Amino acid sequence: DAKTTQPNSMESNEEEPVHLPCNHSTISGTDYIHWYRQLPSQGPEYVIHGLTSNVNNRMASLAIAEDRKSSTLILHRATLRDAAVYYCIRALHIYNQGGKLIFGQGTELSVKP
Amino acid sequence: DAGITQSPRYKITETGRQVTLMCHQTWSHSYMFWYRQDLGHGLRLIYYSAAADITDKGEVPDGYVVSRSKTENFPLTLESATRSQTSVYFCASSVSGTVISTNEKLFFGSGTQLSVL
Repeated sequence: DAKTTQPNSMESNEEEPVHLPCNHSTISGTDYIHWYRQLPSQGPEYVIHGLTSNVNNRMASLAIAEDRKSSTLILHRATLRDAAVYYCIRALHIYNQGGKLIFGQGTELSVKP
Repeated sequence: DAGITQSPRYKITETGRQVTLMCHQTWSHSYMFWYRQDLGHGLRLIYYSAAADITDKGEVPDGYVVSRSKTENFPLTLESATRSQTSVYFCASSVSGTVISTNEKLFFGSGTQLSVL
């Protein structure tokens, strides 16, 4: 199965770090891991992606396990605006067709003041 | 502002009617995608297009038709709407289909909420 496994929901306190886990045990060597988030009544929004090394950007950090079977999205200081559904996605590389993003169920993150 | 826009935002129709959902992007991105989002299923890929006049099926294409005569437009048509097609539909675009590439990502529209009665 190409989909990833994430907890259905998580809670965090404002100003504290959040670690969102994702399992992708069947990942192949050429598949990137992408994270998107979806705020209420909006389309998904890109957060970060990576292949093997840990990645950082202004929104978050992505820690990828050495065996690549799991990864963790890290929000360093959660704010109320970070409350959203977070999707961990395998970007499948299909020969001659490019890449496709296959979304799973996502983790609904709630942030308490 | 440049971006990706979907219309209409909300649509109510009846079983058996033809419905077309519009998607327009101003970035000249090559690839465009249609997803549907349902409770319990997350987002599922319906169709995608690599360029004008090139389209291909995704995970759940049955009951849908797409066309891409111009790079910037990618309409999705439900030829004979059914209740099971009640959903929120999202259009997305990317520079290329190779989203495995560095700095490659999808840009999503705000969605069309479709209700089939």
